[in-house]
Amino acid sequence: GAVVSQHPSRVICKSGTSVKIECRSLDFQATTMFWYRQFPKKSLMLMATSNEGSKATYEQGVEKDKFLINHASLTLSTLTVTSAHPEDSSFYICSARARAQETQYFGPGTRLLVL
Amino acid sequence: SQQGEEDPQALSIQEGENATMNCSYKTSINNLQWYRQNSGRGLVHLILIRSNEREKHSGRLRVTLDTSKKSSSLLITASRAADTASYFCATDAGDSNYQLIWGAGTKLIIKP
Repeated sequence: GAVVSQHPSRVICKSGTSVKIECRSLDFQATTMFWYRQFPKKSLMLMATSNEGSKATYEQGVEKDKFLINHASLTLSTLTVTSAHPEDSSFYICSARARAQETQYFGPGTRLLVL
Repeated sequence: SQQGEEDPQALSIQEGENATMNCSYKTSINNLQWYRQNSGRGLVHLILIRSNEREKHSGRLRVTLDTSKKSSSLLITASRAADTASYFCATDAGDSNYQLIWGAGTKLIIKP
């Protein structure tokens, strides 16, 4: 099946620093990638949708200047959490889908802890 | 955004029993999908059922869809300890990105 990787799997950073999370589709071309945030014991909250070569579309309430998303190629999207604060600590998950495919394939997630 | 509601929120059964989880949604859909998430991991796609389908099987999984009631159920037969996970339903938003709208999830615990 389709494989999506995420890196890093876990990151601890100091408040005020920036953290970049990578999401890669390993065996298919991902025309669309999604970035989610998940709080403990909760469902997924969609942060933004990005199409290759286009600017990301952010959900209401998600600050685009704080959560920078780049989808420069058909296999890579990055999420940069800028000037991280402790409240940004969370589990971030990306997913990817190929053109005209309805199924999303998920990365294993990145656990971010901001001290 | 959340559209679906799943019940029960948590389900604990003995290994070998069947587990049934339900999902309700509010708007018209093109399809409904079920995903599984092991603790602290990403989600794994289980099964997709289209709006013109009523039932679908995949191994020990059986999914039903009732569009008149805007509900779906996921049945796992002969449960195993390895089935312990959270299960989420998701409906497509009908947009060009096939964006999914997620249910709250059911935490399933299979006791050995």
